[in-house]
Amino acid sequence: EDKVVQSPLSLVVHEGDTVTLNCSYEVTNFRSLLWYKQEKKAPTFLFMLTSSGIEKKSGRLSSILDKKELSSILNITATQTGDSAIYLCAADTGNQFYFGTGTSLTVIP
Amino acid sequence: GAVVSQHPSRVICKSGTSVKIECRSLDFQATTMFWYRQFPKQSLMLMATSNEGSKATYEQGVEKDKFLINHASLTLSTLTVTSAHPEDSSFYICSARDQPSGFSYNEQFFGPGTRLTVL
Repeated sequence: EDKVVQSPLSLVVHEGDTVTLNCSYEVTNFRSLLWYKQEKKAPTFLFMLTSSGIEKKSGRLSSILDKKELSSILNITATQTGDSAIYLCAADTGNQFYFGTGTSLTVIP
Repeated sequence: GAVVSQHPSRVICKSGTSVKIECRSLDFQATTMFWYRQFPKQSLMLMATSNEGSKATYEQGVEKDKFLINHASLTLSTLTVTSAHPEDSSFYICSARDQPSGFSYNEQFFGPGTRLTVL
């Protein structure tokens, strides 16, 4: 059964902390892994990862894919209250997306 | 965990025809369902929110008469793309949750998406 699992389900940290969010996948015909940030209405695209071991960075956010371990991590350094959101990952097979249920991150001032 | 399915997974149609996409919650009652469009490497665009038994709430810029949404039961919502044109080609993704509308951080479960190609 194809599936994507994220951990932890929820996380509460203080401003300035660094967090690591995990995403593992088991899908057939894997093509890429996507990370999204969902605050209000719709998930906002963060990263798309297709190659193993190559880190993608955007400001304080970075992500890397490990195809051997069938997993990806999303790091957020020096967290801010504006980082509070649900972070979703999804595995793209080209024909379908398999979403995890997300990690709910709360950053306390 | 809760499962949401979509049918069909991919569809190819001719310009001018209508296409119906189904979104089902398989093991829970979905009080609220969301419909999104996914463009490559872009954020999901929320099209509409539907609550069982009531009319869907469409986002600004989404044509109600073109994208007909019906949420007739607690486990099924349908999106009908009427008079489809090539620019409607996209991934359409639904999500469902068992909470009433009024967005919060409540958990929602995503379907696998339907790839629509309009020739």
